[in-house]
Amino acid sequence: DTAVSQTPKYLVTQMGNDKSIKCEQNLGHDTMYWYKQDSKKFLKIMFSYNNKELIINETVPNRFSPKSPDKAHLNLHINSLELGDSAVYFCASSYGTSSPLHFGNGTRLTVT
Amino acid sequence: QQPVQSPQAVILREGEDAVINCSSSKALYSVHWYRQKHGEAPVFLMILLKGGEQKGHEKISASFNEKKQQSSLYLTASQLSYSGTYFCGTEITNDYKLSFGAGTTVTVRA
Repeated sequence: DTAVSQTPKYLVTQMGNDKSIKCEQNLGHDTMYWYKQDSKKFLKIMFSYNNKELIINETVPNRFSPKSPDKAHLNLHINSLELGDSAVYFCASSYGTSSPLHFGNGTRLTVT
Repeated sequence: QQPVQSPQAVILREGEDAVINCSSSKALYSVHWYRQKHGEAPVFLMILLKGGEQKGHEKISASFNEKKQQSSLYLTASQLSYSGTYFCGTEITNDYKLSFGAGTTVTVRA
């Protein structure tokens, strides 16, 4: 059984479109995250939710809006996509601070 | 605050050892180490908390020096399977924010 699953695995779209990425975890974790990994492999935290409550919101454009309907799900909606949004987006979950992060397999977003 | 990792890359022959360093400009609450293979997700290796402990995972171990605000990852008697990019992640406080270094690419050759 997949612990942290993301869909879709690949997303190719044009500038200006709106897209969503879904994430689900079955580990019983309380905290979920979105990380962005750019072409240089740099992993940057975007958002973190703890029990459906937003606790970390890094300097991410307003075009990015996370939503957590329950503590097992965290979705990411992106409006008006730009070329610079092209990256691999990883969802992750953990029990909380100082706990290991379990990553999903990533969604490779390509904006043309 | 992003930690600084060094070296950027290292090439090893099977059986050789390597050390990867991770340093922070701020006092650390915890240090995590992850390995990412090409096209895959990062995978957790170990976590070190305040207290200067050392941990091990097979022939991969790590230390945490609070005073120097740094951690080191030791790859001993490297195997081909050790190839990948190693990331350290640091927490300044227990605030759910894990910031990653730029990564160290390790290539182990036969």
